[in-house]
Amino acid sequence: EADIYQTPRYLVIGTGKKITLECSQTMGHDKMYWYQQDPGMELHLIHYSYGVNSTEKGDLSSESTVSRIRTEHFPLTLESARPSHTSQYLCASSPVGISYEQYFGPGTRLTVT
Amino acid sequence: AQSVTQPDIHITVSEGASLELRCNYSYGATPYLFWYVQSPGQGLQLLLKYFSGDTLVQGIKGFEAEFKRSQSSFNLRKPSVHWSDAAEYFCAVRGDSNYQLIWGAGTKLIIKP
Repeated sequence: EADIYQTPRYLVIGTGKKITLECSQTMGHDKMYWYQQDPGMELHLIHYSYGVNSTEKGDLSSESTVSRIRTEHFPLTLESARPSHTSQYLCASSPVGISYEQYFGPGTRLTVT
Repeated sequence: AQSVTQPDIHITVSEGASLELRCNYSYGATPYLFWYVQSPGQGLQLLLKYFSGDTLVQGIKGFEAEFKRSQSSFNLRKPSVHWSDAAEYFCAVRGDSNYQLIWGAGTKLIIKP
């Protein structure tokens, strides 16, 4: 079944640790996105990609980095986690061509202690 | 610049009653408009979208939305809500560039038994 997957779903980690949040999609979409979402707030775009080896920063400044080596895989990495990184991280993808609709994974709830 | 306003942070509705969630947008050209729903601890699910044509759009789970250009609105409606509709609802409009979406802050729907 075509879908978009995120792992882990929940992560509690100490300050200073390096973490990678995984996102994979089996829908053949070329466009992929990472959002940060805090409770009661709108989604903030932190990274996006329009294809392999294409990555851009979004509107919200983030200390994270992303890579897009394969079409289906778009991991997000934090080199040194801080309590200010505590948030929900949502991955999304969008179909090939002129399409704005986005399909979301279940999210990763990150807590940095 | 494009923007989306969802004036109601919370709405409480009795089960079986009708629902209308408001969304106002600012966009110079023909907007592409979306409504998404987010259940607690989950990612976002696309309810419906408007690109062109009939201004009354039908979506999943019995929802519909009406595009009114003169009012710059795209309100979401449901004739009779169920307890399972309790969730957060997000309105979005396409951005000017790069297949991005501009998001509202969301409306949390609470269902009274």
